[in-house]
Amino acid sequence: EPEVTQTPSHQVTQMGQEVILRCVPISNHLYFYWYRQILGQKVEFLVSFYNNEISEKSEIFDDQFSVERPDGSNFTLKIRSTKLEDSAMYFCASSELGEGWHTEAFFGQGTRLTVV
Amino acid sequence: KQEVTQIPAALSVPEGENLVLNCSFTDSAIYNLQWFRQDPGKGLTSLLLIQSSQREQTSGRLNASLDKSSGRSTLYIAASQPGDSATYLCAVRPDTGGSQGNLIFGKGTKLSVKP
Repeated sequence: EPEVTQTPSHQVTQMGQEVILRCVPISNHLYFYWYRQILGQKVEFLVSFYNNEISEKSEIFDDQFSVERPDGSNFTLKIRSTKLEDSAMYFCASSELGEGWHTEAFFGQGTRLTVV
Repeated sequence: KQEVTQIPAALSVPEGENLVLNCSFTDSAIYNLQWFRQDPGKGLTSLLLIQSSQREQTSGRLNASLDKSSGRSTLYIAASQPGDSATYLCAVRPDTGGSQGNLIFGKGTKLSVKP
């Protein structure tokens, strides 16, 4: 069964460092997303990406964050100058562009980012 | 602003019991509603997707209903098993007027099924 894969599963970084979280969405999907979940809190939307550009972003997704689809299979989230409060589980998701836009989102297993 | 609430926050039941998890949302303008399962420290597994025009969806022992006008959804789990123990998340996709809107999540219901 097709799945969204994320690497690494766990990343520890020092405050101020840059990290890149990687995702391989399901191959025939056209919409890609990043969400995050701070421990004990709700899953929060960060950004959606379609047709090689950001289609929507939340207030959380400031200049510290960027996304890229460097090739036909990978989708990355870059966090520059990480802060302690960036520690969270980051989820990548993808969905197929379906009729009426009413499509199911499939999530990866997440990358646990710990900033020390 | 759309808010999603799930009640109860935690639930513990004996094996074999039928149970209902509740989800409510404040704005009825949604494209769809999705139920997920999350195991501790793991990703989100999609269980059921209900379109805004649908009233319910079924998958195995799971049945999800949607009452869009009243802003409510329920997830019914029949004959619960210890393997059903997990956190169940409800998420709505707002109707943003054409774009593929993002999901807004509730905080989840943590279910524990005792053998």
